[in-house]
Amino acid sequence: EAGVAQSPRYKIIEKRQSVAFWCNPISGHATLYWYQQILGQGPKLLIQFQNNGVVDDSQLPKDRFSAERLKGVDSTLKIQPAKLEDSAVYLCASSLEIQVNNEQFFGPGTRLTVL
Amino acid sequence: TQLLEQSPQFLSIQEGENLTVYCNSSSVFSSLQWYRQEPGEGPVLLVTVVTGGEVKKLKRLTFQFGDARKDSSLHITAAQPGDTGLYLCAGENATGGFKTIFGAGTRLFVKA
Repeated sequence: EAGVAQSPRYKIIEKRQSVAFWCNPISGHATLYWYQQILGQGPKLLIQFQNNGVVDDSQLPKDRFSAERLKGVDSTLKIQPAKLEDSAVYLCASSLEIQVNNEQFFGPGTRLTVL
Repeated sequence: TQLLEQSPQFLSIQEGENLTVYCNSSSVFSSLQWYRQEPGEGPVLLVTVVTGGEVKKLKRLTFQFGDARKDSSLHITAAQPGDTGLYLCAGENATGGFKTIFGAGTRLFVKA
């Protein structure tokens, strides 16, 4: 079974530029998550989708971050414009459903460096 | 705001030693999960504990959920270099829409 795919794996941009990340979850997984993991910290949830609807985006900086999950499969996360403090690993995860004891399967992440 | 505090933040030990890492919160969680993350990879689930006082074993790893479901520990017996990695605990609260909160992790390095 293929895992969660993310691209690109690495991205270096200058501040105020725009960047987009792509995620392809495990086939059949209804729930998709985007996390931000700053160096030395645990993952912080940015947004959670159930199919193509947003379940939780309370920690998403909506003035610069946006995400969509068209057709309830692939997802993109965009930052526009980027700030220095956005440097982090952006992890995508998926799970079968929203439920207790939920196992999330993570992709390898995209490491973003903002100069 | 729910927070999970992990300790120690960093641990460097010799192969064969035992160790325990802790995950503490003032909040009650419906379940608690332990993940292991290696450099350049995403976290991988090790175990989920649900019942207060529950103990689960995974080979040389023993996980315990506190009676009040506010804390957890991970004990590794006879650590091996392959155990090196970042150990993350994650609490899930059903009343919050199953939102998962991660701790900052314990970075373990096992020297051969």
